[in-house]
Amino acid sequence: DAGVIQSPRHEVTEMGQEVTLRCKPISGHDYLFWYRQTMMRGLELLIYFNNNVPIDDSGMPEDRFSAKMPNASFSTLKIQPSEPRDSAVYFCASSLFRGGLDGYTFGSGTRLTVV
Amino acid sequence: SQELEQSPQSLIVQEGKNLTINCTSSKTLYGLYWYKQKYGEGLIFLMMLQKGGEEKSHEKITAKLDEKKQQSSLHITASQPSHAGIYLCGAAYYGGSQGNLIFGKGTKLSVKP
Repeated sequence: DAGVIQSPRHEVTEMGQEVTLRCKPISGHDYLFWYRQTMMRGLELLIYFNNNVPIDDSGMPEDRFSAKMPNASFSTLKIQPSEPRDSAVYFCASSLFRGGLDGYTFGSGTRLTVV
Repeated sequence: SQELEQSPQSLIVQEGKNLTINCTSSKTLYGLYWYKQKYGEGLIFLMMLQKGGEEKSHEKITAKLDEKKQQSSLHITASQPSHAGIYLCGAAYYGGSQGNLIFGKGTKLSVKP
């Protein structure tokens, strides 16, 4: 398996533009998580899905953020409109179980810079 | 998260030296996960501890969960430059969000050759 695949690896955009981050989880994993990492706040859970259904989005910072999982092999995180404070590394992770012995498998992340 | 504190924030050690990183939770843990991250890359899973007193090893890295299940220590023996990176602990708690990982802010480890 190629692991969790995220695209793009880097994204630079201007304030006010729409940004879409993409994630392909490991085949067979029922859980998908979106995290954001910044120096100030560390790794924060934004939202997670179980069997393509959003379960908890309490970590989504604002209405400007939205996430979808149209099928088991694809998820998107969208920011519209983007702001400089959204600059961070966004990680997608997937797992077979929550709280399982193997933890989550993380993608390589998308480094977002909003100027 | 204030629920999970890691110490130290950063560490510089000479190659060959031993070191310990601590992770303390304000609540009883369901499980504790250790990850390693290299700059610009994703997190690599090292090990998971669930039982009080449990100890696991991954190559020269050993982690232990205390009996009360509120603190874990990660110990590296005879550090090498390949150990350099950011070590993060992730906590899973009992309750409605059971299994969701809350992460500490990480410990940045540098190993000087």
